[in-house]
Amino acid sequence: DIVMTQSPDSLAVSLGERATINCKSSQSVLYSSNNKNYLAWYQQKPGQPPKLLIYWASTRESGVPDRFSGSGSGTDFTLTISSLQAEDVAVYYCQQYYSTPIFTFGPGTKVDI
Amino acid sequence: QVQLQESGPGLVKPSGTLSLTCAVSGGSISSNNWWNWVRQPPGKGLEWIGEIYHSGRTYYNPSLKSRVTMSVDKSKNQFSLNLSSVTAADTAVYYCARERDSGAAFDIWGQGTVVTVSS
Repeated sequence: DIVMTQSPDSLAVSLGERATINCKSSQSVLYSSNNKNYLAWYQQKPGQPPKLLIYWASTRESGVPDRFSGSGSGTDFTLTISSLQAEDVAVYYCQQYYSTPIFTFGPGTKVDI
Repeated sequence: QVQLQESGPGLVKPSGTLSLTCAVSGGSISSNNWWNWVRQPPGKGLEWIGEIYHSGRTYYNPSLKSRVTMSVDKSKNQFSLNLSSVTAADTAVYYCARERDSGAAFDIWGQGTVVTVSS
C-alpha cells in the first residue's frame, strides 16, 4: 500500500501570510504513460465534508481561489496558500489515487490563524 | 448539479451490521463514475472504505474487505454500504463520494452521517 505522510501536523499563519503544507508518498504516484501525478488535495472545515481543491497535483478545481496552488512530482508534493484568509482555517488532506482502486489519504494538516 | 445524501441508523449495536444508503440526485448513478464510501472517526483522519460501479463491480479496502458489502439500486438511483460485526472502532462519520472519472479524485461528497456503535 502507498502510505501518505504530511508535515507539519499543524501550523499557525498570520492573515495575509503564506501557508505551506507538505505531503510525501511512500512510492511515486507519477504515472509515466501520461506524465500525471495521481495526487489530490482536500480542505475540510469543522462539521463539513472534505472539499476537493487540487487534483493531478497542480490542477485547481473549478471555483477554488487562485491563492491555492499545488506543486511537486513523484513522491513529494506541496500545497501553498499564498495569502491566508480567515475562511481558510481548516484541515487539509492529501490523497493518492495512483494505486486505484485502492485510495489512501494523508493524516491531515491543521491550519489556524 | 449532482448531490449526494447519506441516510441510515445513527446507532448500531456491537456485533451488529451497519447499513447506510447514499442517494444520488441531479444525475444518474449509471453515469461513468465510481461511487465511494469514506469514513472519519471522531477527531481523526479519512479512511477509504470501498467503491462501486453501476454494473455492481466493487473494490474494498483490504483492511475492511471481510466485513464490507456494497450494492447499487439503479431504480432508486442510490448505492449502499453494509459493514458487519461492528465494534466501537467503527464509530465514525460516514461519507459517500463520487469519483470524477475512473482512477481520479473525489469531486462530490455527501454531508456525512454519524454512526455510533454502542449498546
